[in-house]
Amino acid sequence: DTEVTQTPKHLVMGMTNKKSLKCEQHMGHRAMYWYKQKAKKPPELMFVYSYEKLSINESVPSRFSPECPNSSLLNLHLHALQPEDSALYLCASSQGRGAGTQYFGPGTRLLVL
Amino acid sequence: AQSVTQLGSHVSVSEGALVLLRCNYSSSVPPYLFWYVQYPNQGLQLLLKYTTGATLVKGINGFEAEFKKSETSFHLTKPSAHMSDAAEYFCAVSDRIKAAGNKLTFGGGTRVLVKP
Repeated sequence: DTEVTQTPKHLVMGMTNKKSLKCEQHMGHRAMYWYKQKAKKPPELMFVYSYEKLSINESVPSRFSPECPNSSLLNLHLHALQPEDSALYLCASSQGRGAGTQYFGPGTRLLVL
Repeated sequence: AQSVTQLGSHVSVSEGALVLLRCNYSSSVPPYLFWYVQYPNQGLQLLLKYTTGATLVKGINGFEAEFKKSETSFHLTKPSAHMSDAAEYFCAVSDRIKAAGNKLTFGGGTRVLVKP
């Protein structure tokens, strides 16, 4: 099973709302990622968690707050977003070490009004 | 920092014709190399990857890629295009590190259109 699940599939939120994106994998992977993808562009890395610890933050604004409650679950908390934050948010996971292939979820399409 | 260049943001091929997508990377130390495909409104799916060993790598859906160190390239090919190959293709690289959580650097992507 190489499935990464993401919920919700679609999300519309106002600039004053607080919402969360959820990502789950049951492959025993110890690295999990959040990417942001704008239309017709490649994914841009936001955060990397390694063994439930934040290991990479690509200078993401604080209105995005990641959380890794356990090795299978990754959340992205959203607060006071801007319309330019509208995008497809992709979660991925990979094995603990080496050239672990990153397996991607289907994404959450976010629209900020 | 790594960089990845995909030549051609759009490629149009006829059904049954050869598909060739070009990818060049910048690192002097060969990285791990990947090709992903993204269908509309979906996540990314791994087509194939090169880590070590044989330089000709076979992937899913009839795709293959050849790692050429001297040319710092990892071009993707498929002998005969099918309508279902219409999608966005991304070349990506990551450094050869042993830590968990490798950063993937993506190329700009190539959109493939298949004509009947």
